[in-house]
Amino acid sequence: RKEVEQDPGPFNVPEGATVAFNCTYSNSASQSFFWYRQDCRKEPKLLMSVYSSGNEDGRFTAQLNRASQYISLLIRDSKLSDSATYLCVVTRGENYGGSQGNLIFGKGTKLSVKP
Amino acid sequence: NAGVTQTPKFQVLKTGQSMTLQCAQDMNHEYMSWYRQDPGMGLRLIHYSVGAGITDQGEVPNGYNVSRSTTEDFPLRLLSAAPSQTSVYFCASSIFLRGQSFLFGYTFGSGTRLTVV
Repeated sequence: RKEVEQDPGPFNVPEGATVAFNCTYSNSASQSFFWYRQDCRKEPKLLMSVYSSGNEDGRFTAQLNRASQYISLLIRDSKLSDSATYLCVVTRGENYGGSQGNLIFGKGTKLSVKP
Repeated sequence: NAGVTQTPKFQVLKTGQSMTLQCAQDMNHEYMSWYRQDPGMGLRLIHYSVGAGITDQGEVPNGYNVSRSTTEDFPLRLLSAAPSQTSVYFCASSIFLRGQSFLFGYTFGSGTRLTVV
């Protein structure tokens, strides 16, 4: 099983649509979880952290299910500017040195929002 | 506040040449790392550092060296460039809380696009 798995997409949705991305991770020791956004030919940028209780930031809602090792991102009322690749990211979770902090990136899910 | 600065933005090398990719951050972050991103492969960790004088290997370290003489700088050296090292290289930094998981994610530089011919 890959460390972090995402559906690569692309997801092609009209403006105003609601779209959901899912992600699974293999290491139950992972402790921190994030969604990053990456625009074409740009660096990844932190979109939001993901907490066990679920968290919301405007039109974006992230959920974490530790028992199922599953992370989700919901985008409501999609905008053209939401078009990007969304990366699911988890910490390695090993118990020594700095490697517990190393982030493991999924390959990303591409979203294209059309007018 | 510049954040994470990478230079150069673009570079073309001939096979066998060596070069250093520069990375500097002004946020006093202890943790710094280098990733490469290739189509279909996602981001892969090359080397990382949890503080000045401390470095360790990541997932794909072969062909690369790093050093960390200061908190601010974390250069990546390509010893003898190969076409397989054609990639986009990202430097990232973060607050590092010893004994705890990362809470804040990483801040990335804008990347170096390297082509080896």
